[in-house]
Amino acid sequence: SSELTQDPAVSVALGQTVRITCQGDSLRRYYASWYQQKPGQAPVLVIFGKNNRPSGVPDRFSGSSSGDTTSLTITGAQAEDEADYYCNSRDNRGNHPFGGGTKLTVL
Amino acid sequence: QVQLVESGGGVVQPGRSLRLSCEASGFTLGSYGLHWVRQAPGKGLEWVAVIWYVGSNTYYADSVKGRFSISRDNSKNTAYLQMNSLRAEDTAIYHCARGQSNYQSGDYYYFMDVWGKGTAVTVSS
Repeated sequence: SSELTQDPAVSVALGQTVRITCQGDSLRRYYASWYQQKPGQAPVLVIFGKNNRPSGVPDRFSGSSSGDTTSLTITGAQAEDEADYYCNSRDNRGNHPFGGGTKLTVL
Repeated sequence: QVQLVESGGGVVQPGRSLRLSCEASGFTLGSYGLHWVRQAPGKGLEWVAVIWYVGSNTYYADSVKGRFSISRDNSKNTAYLQMNSLRAEDTAIYHCARGQSNYQSGDYYYFMDVWGKGTAVTVSS
């Protein structure tokens, strides 16, 4: 299956820790990547591979995976982290579907 | 400065064609994969297609297979998305994104590390 499933919305209190999850069969074979998208902007890569952050992404962002589930964790969420987050992974057909996205609200 | 710039979007009638371009600067496009990703108004990201640097292998989402074609001209450092038989549901912002792949801890991983700002396509009569 090439489908990736995410919770539509998650909220977190300012400064607290939040985990955003993504589930799919392809994650048993391929690591996911995570993208942050703010309104009116292009997506930005925040996590790739086992737990790699591109230059410029704060170290409060981290990734983990187990079985068919991958997670993006924000430790000490900031107001500027409020955004939509998408997971993405290759599937067995060579396609790269996205999850449906999770809207993160920082309270 | 590493960047991707899309162009070619516009308003087109259903059933017609459009070709989008994605020009790379600051890096050699032929050494990377190149994805097209779209976002319909108020909706999430939808992966459309990819062309890889090894063998120029191409893959397409089921929603566009047989209608869209991805290609690139390395001499122009530019990739293209030829869109035929357009439908109303193809209306979206189309982004191109640089694709990479690697192998770590026994598993492969793929990611899109550079994104263009997008070009808008509206399919309407």
